Amino acid sequence: NAGVMQNPRHLVRRRGQEARLRCSPMKGHSHVYWYRQLPEEGLKFMVYLQKENIIDESGMPKERFSAEFPKEGPSILRIQQVVRGDSAAYFCASSPRAVQETQYFGPGTRLLVL
Amino acid sequence: AQKITQTQPGMFVQEKEAVTLDCTYDTSDPSYGLFWYKQPSSGEMIFLIYQGSYDQQNATEGRYSLNFQKARKSANLVISASQLGDSAMYFCAMRHGGTSYGKLTFGQGTILTVHP
Repeated sequence: NAGVMQNPRHLVRRRGQEARLRCSPMKGHSHVYWYRQLPEEGLKFMVYLQKENIIDESGMPKERFSAEFPKEGPSILRIQQVVRGDSAAYFCASSPRAVQETQYFGPGTRLLVL
Repeated sequence: AQKITQTQPGMFVQEKEAVTLDCTYDTSDPSYGLFWYKQPSSGEMIFLIYQGSYDQQNATEGRYSLNFQKARKSANLVISASQLGDSAMYFCAMRHGGTSYGKLTFGQGTILTVHP
């Protein structure tokens, strides 16, 4: 049973470009969470999605950031017009159900904005 | 507001000895979950152990055990018989209850270094 897959593992973008981060949850998992880890810090929650629904986006910046989890295919975290402050590790986690279930993390995508 | 605090930025332990990593939390939700994750230098997040707020027994997973003291709101991780491969960053996290259920709040982390 493959774990949570994220790609790309490393992404370099210039200021103003778009970054698209992909996450494929573990087989049988229908809940996806995105977290951001700035250098030397813990992870911060961004958004929680189920298939075709955003359940909680309270940690997502209001502008430039969006997330989706379509019926078919991976979850996508999109960052438009990236700035240097977006440089971070972005982790995706999945769980079978939200409550009383462990979230298993992917390897992360390291975004570097030049 | 929910909060997780790890007061030890760094800890050192001799190989084969036990070490305790501290974690305190604050929440008004009666139902919550506490997790420990390990982040080695390679960067991935590895799940170690889970404790539910209603669990009567302390959780154990191999060399990992969670010292859960609900009244004191602490959930310390105990690693027995430390190994060199245990050197990593360790994060304590809390899963929220209520309307924010699902999302995790993480502490600042503790860097553990195991000496030979």
